[in-house]
Amino acid sequence: DVVMTQTPLSLSVTPGEPASMSCRSSRSLLDSVAGHTYVDWYLQKPGQSPQILIYTLSNRASEVPDRFSGTGSDTDFTLKISSVEAEDVGVYYCMQRIEYPITFGQGTRLDIK
Amino acid sequence: EVQLIDSGGGLVQPGRSLRLSCTSPTLTLGSFAMAWFRQAPGKGLEWIAFIKMKAYGATTEYAASVKGRFIISRDDSKNIAYLQMNSLKIEDTAMYYCARAYDYWGQGTLVTVSS
Repeated sequence: DVVMTQTPLSLSVTPGEPASMSCRSSRSLLDSVAGHTYVDWYLQKPGQSPQILIYTLSNRASEVPDRFSGTGSDTDFTLKISSVEAEDVGVYYCMQRIEYPITFGQGTRLDIK
Repeated sequence: EVQLIDSGGGLVQPGRSLRLSCTSPTLTLGSFAMAWFRQAPGKGLEWIAFIKMKAYGATTEYAASVKGRFIISRDDSKNIAYLQMNSLKIEDTAMYYCARAYDYWGQGTLVTVSS
């Protein structure tokens, strides 16, 4: 199975400041035939179900603010928030879907200072 | 707006069965592959099952933890996806989420397996 490793496990950020979190996969998530890298990012706000933020490496989902961005390649991926807001609190998960079983990182918890 | 509604959770004894349902007032589920995920209390996210559209043979995939016990299916005429859970174990206790594969998730339905 593809192992997804997220760092850090927790992050405390002042509103208005940037935030960055990483995800590393145990194998490349690049499908060289399709030309796509199959890593997605989800945010699970307290008491809610996960919501998609970024799909296929760097595509923002519908209605996701442009302060969120996804970058990376092959096995190393980063989610950046350019200016954190109070509503961004929650647990961020990366997920690979290049092969089954689909697997998640253990999550990065973001809270506000 | 994409809405998915999970239902069917509850308290069940070990070894018994339960069927979860997923429907949508805004999506035609038959036009999408569907999946189920779960989250044990205080834990991370786990993918458990996937089903392709009927046009692609409604092929399924399962996590090793549920393979042989759980069955994902779909009834596109009713706009419902199902997760039949058999031989339930205490470790199956979790919030279960259906999702359009792979973006939008339902609100979840809680399954508690306990004697």
